[in-house]
Amino acid sequence: DIQMTQSPSTLSASVGDRVTITCRASQTISSWLAWYQQKPGKAPKLLIHKASSLESGVPSRFSGSGSGTEFTLTISSLQSDDFATYYCQQYSSYSQTFGQGTKVEIK
Amino acid sequence: EVQLVESGGGLVQPGGSLRLSCVASGFTFSSYAMSWVRQAPGKGLEWVSSISSSGASTYYADSVKGRLTISRDSSTNTLYLQMNSLRAEDTAEYYCAKGGIAVVPPDPWGQGTLVTVSS
Repeated sequence: DIQMTQSPSTLSASVGDRVTITCRASQTISSWLAWYQQKPGKAPKLLIHKASSLESGVPSRFSGSGSGTEFTLTISSLQSDDFATYYCQQYSSYSQTFGQGTKVEIK
Repeated sequence: EVQLVESGGGLVQPGGSLRLSCVASGFTFSSYAMSWVRQAPGKGLEWVSSISSSGASTYYADSVKGRLTISRDSSTNTLYLQMNSLRAEDTAEYYCAKGGIAVVPPDPWGQGTLVTVSS
């Protein structure tokens, strides 16, 4: 199975900060990488698919990049609504896998 | 608007069985693959199983293979997860999601149903 490693596990930041989360795949997944946001008690919400394609309705401060094995999620100017846990997910094969998550906390 | 509503969760003893359901609306159910993803309390997300649009192909995580069975009924727009030989480590919130077979990420997701395996 393809392993996904996210870093950092926790990130403390302030409103207005630029935030970057990294996700590494144990083998190449082309661009079959999605990013989800999850808030406590809620289902995950898809933000980005195919590594860099923003879902409809997702603010433009979110962006994704990368291909192969290295990927990043960037929030250009953190807003109060963005404090949540973020997961990457590879869907290059029938056996999908998620990263362990990155919790973005208020500094 | 796509809606996915899970039900069937609850408390079950180790070794027991449970069947989860997910009723879909707002899209042509028979045209899309469907998936189950779970999240143990305080933990991350784990893909469990996916099924093709026709139901002819099914896929499972190694951790559930042989114990959990995914199926679908297009006449009632319902996705199922039959859970047998349950273990404590199966305790989790179970989400159904539209899509989720190669090159299509699961989206959107239902609100989840909680399964607790405990004596």
